[in-house]
Amino acid sequence: DVKVTQSSRYLVKRTGEKVFLECVQDMDHENMFWYRQDPGLGLRLIYFSYDVKMKEKGDIPEGYSVSREKKERFSLILESASTNQTSMYLCASSLLSDNTEAFFGQGTRLTVV
Amino acid sequence: GENVEQHPSTLSVQEGDSAVIKCTYSDSASNYFPWYKQELGKRPQLIIDIRSNVGEKKDQRIAVTLNKTAKHFSLHITETQPEDSAVYFCAASNRGGSQGNLIFGKGTKLSVKP
Repeated sequence: DVKVTQSSRYLVKRTGEKVFLECVQDMDHENMFWYRQDPGLGLRLIYFSYDVKMKEKGDIPEGYSVSREKKERFSLILESASTNQTSMYLCASSLLSDNTEAFFGQGTRLTVV
Repeated sequence: GENVEQHPSTLSVQEGDSAVIKCTYSDSASNYFPWYKQELGKRPQLIIDIRSNVGEKKDQRIAVTLNKTAKHFSLHITETQPEDSAVYFCAASNRGGSQGNLIFGKGTKLSVKP
């Protein structure tokens, strides 16, 4: 079974804090994605990466950065957390070649107070 | 970049009826169209997908159709059951090379009433 694991299920942080969300996959997938999920807005792509040290902006990259130092790990960084970044964050991974399924992590519910 | 529109945002049907969810996409280079189901409190999971060289695909009670010319694709669920109640997301992707992005629609909340 493919496993995509996010480091925290729930997280509460203060405004202005630097926040790290970690995601690890165990299937040697090239692609990794970070989405945020908000009611009525669906899954919005923040960043994705197709290889180590490679990253591409998604639709809503402002206020976020990412790091992919190892193939299995993709980190989302909120440089200075703000209340409008309170959301559910979902990580996903997939193979790069051909068209294949993306597997999601269980999600991290981040609350910024 | 790619933009995916999904309709309707909510859909309520009686058990045994059919449900249809429609999506349009903007990037003619997109070549992969998956559908995900997300039950309450759970992660999205793939239920069916279609590639751009295929017009229709079926898997038991679920089918997906693709019209490349019009840039739209649809999910059809027949003989709906209460366990089909969930949020459904369509997505579009241009796979190949470095373009691995996967863009989702806003989702459709399907309620199947017993």
